Amino acid sequence: NAGVTQTPKFQVLKTGQSMTLQCAQDMNHEYMSWYRQDPGMGLRLIHYSVGAGITDQGEVPNGYNVSRSTTEDFPLRLLSAAPSQTSVYFCASSYLVTSGAYNEQFFGPGTRLTVL
Amino acid sequence: EDQVTQSPEALRLQEGESSSLNCSYTVSGLRGLFWYRQDPGKGPEFLFTLYSAGEEKEKERLKATLTKKESFLHITAPKPEDSATYLCAVGIRNRDDKIIFGKGTRLHILP
Repeated sequence: NAGVTQTPKFQVLKTGQSMTLQCAQDMNHEYMSWYRQDPGMGLRLIHYSVGAGITDQGEVPNGYNVSRSTTEDFPLRLLSAAPSQTSVYFCASSYLVTSGAYNEQFFGPGTRLTVL
Repeated sequence: EDQVTQSPEALRLQEGESSSLNCSYTVSGLRGLFWYRQDPGKGPEFLFTLYSAGEEKEKERLKATLTKKESFLHITAPKPEDSATYLCAVGIRNRDDKIIFGKGTRLHILP
């Protein structure tokens, strides 16, 4: 099992450019999510998905777009990059809550994005 | 408003010096509370999930406890390899999709 993989590891963009952060998991998890982590802010949920074809907004969705065409992949698109989107982005996945119990959430290694 | 607060922000301990990290929460209804460990440059790594007041879980030198308003992560006789940022998060009742993270406690164990 590769677990949760993210590409690229590092990226520098200019303001206004668009790009896609890739996330894939090989554990057949239904739930996938994207977080951003900023100094002093903790992890904040951007978008999440509970299965192929189903996505929803988290706490800070503006400026980001997602889709879930397969169980394995959950790409995050930056439509027009802004300096405020400079951050570390983490993708995570888990099984859905079963019998009232959460399942362990696995995180990817992160993508460090700088927007100039 | 749902909120998770961790304290202290940073903690330096000597090797072998036991201590506790705090996670206090204000949520509409607690579904579960999580502890993660995060090493520099890496993604968070799951440690524990707690569901109800009075529950305790242990893993090596770590023990997590839960009350109705807060959770503690007790570290007994820590070693330098326990140095990391420890994150607390809560799941909200009736919102299986909503998990709120605290800002974390940076723990540094001096040899």
